[in-house]
Amino acid sequence: TQLLEQSPQFLSIQEGENLTVYCNSSSVFSSLQWYRQEPGEGPVLLVTVVTGGEVKKLKRLTFQFGDARKDSSLHITAAQPGDTGLYLCAGVDSGNTPLVFGKGTRLSVIA
Amino acid sequence: NAGVTQTPKFRILKIGQSMTLQCAQDMNHNYMYWYRQDPGMGLKLIYYSVGAGITDKGEVPNGYNVSRSTTEDFPLRLELAAPSQTSVYFCASSYSQGLGQPQHFGDGTRLSIL
Repeated sequence: TQLLEQSPQFLSIQEGENLTVYCNSSSVFSSLQWYRQEPGEGPVLLVTVVTGGEVKKLKRLTFQFGDARKDSSLHITAAQPGDTGLYLCAGVDSGNTPLVFGKGTRLSVIA
Repeated sequence: NAGVTQTPKFRILKIGQSMTLQCAQDMNHNYMYWYRQDPGMGLKLIYYSVGAGITDKGEVPNGYNVSRSTTEDFPLRLELAAPSQTSVYFCASSYSQGLGQPQHFGDGTRLSIL
């Protein structure tokens, strides 16, 4: 069973600070996705990364896929209270198998 | 623009009761999934379906059953509810399981078994 380890599990920061959360595995993934989940709602896709070393930006969020396609990071610049939520990474291996989800990083941005 | 619709949103069951969680999608997606989310445990796959008439077990299928008679609907059945099944249940759908295809989630069913 492939595992995705996310760290930190919890993160509480002040508005305007920068932060990075990580998603690591010992397995290779053909693609990796990041989702954000707000209280009382289902997860919503933020980005998909496919190529090793790939970097994608979504406004203040920067996503990177490791060269070996075993890890990914999410960096948020100048965090806002609206960034508060549970950030989940999810990966697909080379076969036609369902997504494997990490346990998530719960982010709280305090105004 | 409904997407994935789950009903009910909340339910309290007594131990030993049965119920069906409903899930419907209007995006003509072939792939549908049921997850449970426990506090601090992320999403665990219960069952999934790659098309009408085809279902397969996920990581935690025990105590649950599913059926997929149409493309749109993917109900999850709990037989003999147990306290360990207290959780938030999410249904999701996707166009495929291929590279980069997103899963679209419903808003969940919060189930308590007492």
